[in-house]
Amino acid sequence: NAGVTQTPKFQVLKTGQSMTLQCAQDMNHNSMYWYRQDPGMGLRLIYYSASEGTTDKGEVPNGYNVSRLNKREFSLRLESAAPSQTSVYFCASSTGMNTEAFFGQGTRLTVV
Amino acid sequence: AQRVTQPEKLLSVFKGAPVELKCNYSYSGSPELFWYVQYSRQRLQLLLRHISRESIKGFTADLNKGETSFHLKKPFAQEEDSAMYYCALTPHGSSNTGKLIFGQGTTLQVKP
Repeated sequence: NAGVTQTPKFQVLKTGQSMTLQCAQDMNHNSMYWYRQDPGMGLRLIYYSASEGTTDKGEVPNGYNVSRLNKREFSLRLESAAPSQTSVYFCASSTGMNTEAFFGQGTRLTVV
Repeated sequence: AQRVTQPEKLLSVFKGAPVELKCNYSYSGSPELFWYVQYSRQRLQLLLRHISRESIKGFTADLNKGETSFHLKKPFAQEEDSAMYYCALTPHGSSNTGKLIFGQGTTLQVKP
């Protein structure tokens, strides 16, 4: 079982460059999420998609965009990367409604 | 405001000692509370949730609504318990989309 798969695992960007983080899940989950993990801050929600065709902002959406391409895939785009976006990014999925969230292995992004 | 607070960044104990990882929350309604764990080089995974009222790997957590706490406890720590532990909250109710609010995380270090 692949579960939640993120690509890439590591990425280094220069300030101002753009990139898209990919996420796919094979559990037929309705809800998908993007979090960032920073030391001392825990995980903070960037964007989420409660169901196919919908997306909503989370706690820290500035500088990001998302696309729920289909039920399986939920991508996160940085249009113009900034050093403040250096972080570990996690994609997750769940059936919604108080159920367990399943996480990807994370993407370590460094913006120089 | 909805908030989860884990006051300890690092908790270091010897093998066989009792462990208590503290978690306090701020939420006006009835939240669902979880503990997630991230072992070294593994993805974040659910450890336990308060509605299940179960013991996982010897860990238990009791929701204390009066003190708004959900502390994680284990009577005898093992070296394999060393990991990062996150307390998380999700709002209860029809508007819930499964999105999680995380605490800052506590690193548990169990020394031999």
